[in-house]
Amino acid sequence: SAVISQKPSRDICQRGTSLTIQCQVDSQVTMMFWYRQQPGQSLTLIATANQGSEATYESGFVIDKFPISRPNLTFSTLTVSNMSPEDSSIYLCSVEHTNTEAFFGQGTRLTVV
Amino acid sequence: GEDVEQSLFLSVREGDSSVINCTYTDSSSTYLYWYKQEPGAGLQLLTYIFSNMDMKQDQRLTVLLNKKDKHLSLRIADTQTGDSAIYFCAEKGSWGKLQFGAGTQVVVTP
Repeated sequence: SAVISQKPSRDICQRGTSLTIQCQVDSQVTMMFWYRQQPGQSLTLIATANQGSEATYESGFVIDKFPISRPNLTFSTLTVSNMSPEDSSIYLCSVEHTNTEAFFGQGTRLTVV
Repeated sequence: GEDVEQSLFLSVREGDSSVINCTYTDSSSTYLYWYKQEPGAGLQLLTYIFSNMDMKQDQRLTVLLNKKDKHLSLRIADTQTGDSAIYFCAEKGSWGKLQFGAGTQVVVTP
């Protein structure tokens, strides 16, 4: 299995500010994914982050709002920019392991006030 | 609407079996997954099944896959109070992306 550590686990932020979420994996992985889980909802994929290339964003998500870095095979960051209360969600990092299993971090619970 | 559908709620008595159902639409899905989410926690991978399999058993968990009907189920034997959680099914599509269902809230009563 793969162990994923996300930081911070939770935060309360002022509107208009930005928050960077870190995702660290205990093994090298090719594909990393960022998901959003709005309150009481299911998970929605924000983007796919591969090392050495630009992240690929899903419909409805843009790089200016959610810039992503993937500097190496064990680490990625997601920034939530210019936050508004509508950005209050759980943000989860996920990795694909051995091309079969998909593991998730514990998530970052973000509240924007 | 969502491509992966689940019933939203299931109530089960402790000691009974729980069956959570899921339907999906992508016939090219390679793997299908079941995740458990407890309050305030992330997603825990419970089990997964390859699309060319019909059944997979792992201790108290049994996954059944009917590929013709695109129907997936998770059976939890001898359900315990610790099994109370939200259960998500997900299908793996192209480029490793997962498409999730809305989640089934399972409540285990004494």
